[in-house]
Amino acid sequence: ETGVTQSPTHLIKTRGQQVTLRCSSQSGHNTVSWYQQALGQGPQFIFQYYREEENGRGNFPPRFSGLQFPNYSSELNVNALELDDSALYLCASSLPNTPGGAGYGYTFGSGTRLTVV
Amino acid sequence: AQKVTQAQTEISVVEKEDVTLDCVYETRDTTYYLFWYKQPPSGELVFLIRRNSFDEQNEISGRYSWNFQKSTSSFNFTITASQVVDSAVYFCALMDGNKLVFGAGTILRVKS
Repeated sequence: ETGVTQSPTHLIKTRGQQVTLRCSSQSGHNTVSWYQQALGQGPQFIFQYYREEENGRGNFPPRFSGLQFPNYSSELNVNALELDDSALYLCASSLPNTPGGAGYGYTFGSGTRLTVV
Repeated sequence: AQKVTQAQTEISVVEKEDVTLDCVYETRDTTYYLFWYKQPPSGELVFLIRRNSFDEQNEISGRYSWNFQKSTSSFNFTITASQVVDSAVYFCALMDGNKLVFGAGTILRVKS
């Protein structure tokens, strides 16, 4: 069984540019969540996708957007990059409605380290 | 508001020492779920344990043990006889709907 893979692993962008991060979910998982982890902090929930629809969103501006594809892979797009967007972006896949919450079945990828200069 | 506090920013111990990582949570829910994750330098979050609010039994898994106390809203994690491979950042988290609310994490450094 394959885990969650994210690409690229590292990325450097200039302020104002746009970026797309990619995530392939674990086999059999149809829900994908994205988290932003700034240096020295805990991960913050960006949004979740289930069946290609957004299924909950954290406190992030609209320039953070996402997509989920029929094969359950996902993209995170960030427009008009700001310096504060520099962070580790983590993707997690899961099954929905897992007894007690999807968190029981979350599998995290190793993340994409985004640096905005 | 749902909140998780890990007051210990960084802990350093010598190998074979026992170490306890503290976690205090706030929630408005009567049924809730708590988690611990380990984040090694490679970056991925490794699931360690899930605990639901109606099961207050403490749990032991090898060198790891967890002490859940609803009365003090705490869910502490103890590593017995620590090893260098335990060095990582450890996160406590609370399930809020369909998302995890994480604490700021505790950096554990185990020296040989």
